[in-house]
Amino acid sequence: DSGVTQTPKHLITATGQRVTLRCSPRSGDLSVYWYQQSLDQGLQFLIQYYNGEERAKGNILERFSAQQFPDLHSELNLSSLELGDSALYFCASSASGRSYNEQFFGPGTRLTVL
Amino acid sequence: GNSVTQMEGPVTLSEEAFLTINCTYTATGYPSLFWYVQYPGEGLQLLLKATKADDKGSNKGFEATYRKETTSFHLEKGSVQVSDSAVYFCALKFVQGAQKLVFGQGTRLTINP
Repeated sequence: DSGVTQTPKHLITATGQRVTLRCSPRSGDLSVYWYQQSLDQGLQFLIQYYNGEERAKGNILERFSAQQFPDLHSELNLSSLELGDSALYFCASSASGRSYNEQFFGPGTRLTVL
Repeated sequence: GNSVTQMEGPVTLSEEAFLTINCTYTATGYPSLFWYVQYPGEGLQLLLKATKADDKGSNKGFEATYRKETTSFHLEKGSVQVSDSAVYFCALKFVQGAQKLVFGQGTRLTINP
């Protein structure tokens, strides 16, 4: 158990809908990362937050947004869902945003868009 | 751009066989290199890492050496066990800038008893 929790574990929804994925980092970790794992794109970095502020952005679509709250949990919002958004979404956390801090991954949320 | 290429899977071996999973990278600069493992239904776990050329990372019998001259970070284990069955990801990350991991496509390993 990495100490990173993600809810829900599974999510099934329809095209055009909006969903929110939630991540609670390890106790004391300030940095949260979101990754998407899909069959065609592999594992890709989406976005990083550090202590409530956006730190880095990767291949995140404009239909997707994220935030980190004062209690350090993070949410990833996916809107106008398309079939191609079906994927496993991982959250990871680290103590800070520094290079020497290991990223600990949660178990993921599997999103299926029908 | 920065990228990681892993040997195509799936890989199927018998217990106690020798394992090699190839990983090469393309990067501007000198990244840190990692191997992550994903067991069924779980998130990724860091298996080992190396932060500079000629460093050897090791853990649980697995080893990988950072080879700058061949831009490689091949994963090896002398004698695999059924419990090593998982998906293995090679990844890189830079010291400076965004702390994002860049992953290879993953290699599914199955060990038969």
